[in-house]
Amino acid sequence: AQTVTQSQPEMSVQEAETVTLSCTYDTSESDYYLFWYKQPPSRQMILVIRQEAYKQQNATENRFSVNFQKAAKSFSLKISDSQLGDAAMYFCAYRSAFGEGGSEKLVFGKGTKLTVNP
Amino acid sequence: EPEVTQTPSHQVTQMGQEVILRCVPISNHLYFYWYRQILGQKVEFLVSFYNNEISEKSEIFDDQFSVERPDGSNFTLKIRSTKLEDSAMYFCASSVLENTEAFFGQGTRLTVV
Repeated sequence: AQTVTQSQPEMSVQEAETVTLSCTYDTSESDYYLFWYKQPPSRQMILVIRQEAYKQQNATENRFSVNFQKAAKSFSLKISDSQLGDAAMYFCAYRSAFGEGGSEKLVFGKGTKLTVNP
Repeated sequence: EPEVTQTPSHQVTQMGQEVILRCVPISNHLYFYWYRQILGQKVEFLVSFYNNEISEKSEIFDDQFSVERPDGSNFTLKIRSTKLEDSAMYFCASSVLENTEAFFGQGTRLTVV
């Protein structure tokens, strides 16, 4: 079974600075997807960014980018120019790719609570 | 922008009562999911649903739980006899295909007293 580990329960960053959230995962599959979801105080889960394992290029979405290291099974999220609205819980998640015969469910890490200080 | 909507946003129920949580997935999506998040814990998969049947379910999804798509738009989660430990945030999600990202609703907070 796949597992996702987020080793930082809490992180803080100054507004306008850059912060990196860590995520590692364990899988025997060769093709899969990785996601970062944001959960603000409203509790809704919002997709931040997605990475396909077969793609070597790291995904980028405006101020959000990932550092995907497939061999190391590492998938960190970098938030540049942090804003007060970035304060939230951030969850890393894994899903098998279609055709792998694996599960279609998302497997989540425990989350990292990000605080942005003005 | 299309979104997944869930009702109610908060439900309080007595232990042993039946509850139905409702979701309207995004209209062109084919895969539907329920997840739950006990306060302070990680988000856990409950069940996935495709083509009017359960395609996968977790160990949590026992006989007390059921899902249904009663019409072309709604997707429901029923808990037959609620327990205190069922208190959690329940999220509905949907995706176009099985290998595309899931979009989540805003959640229903279920409190069992």
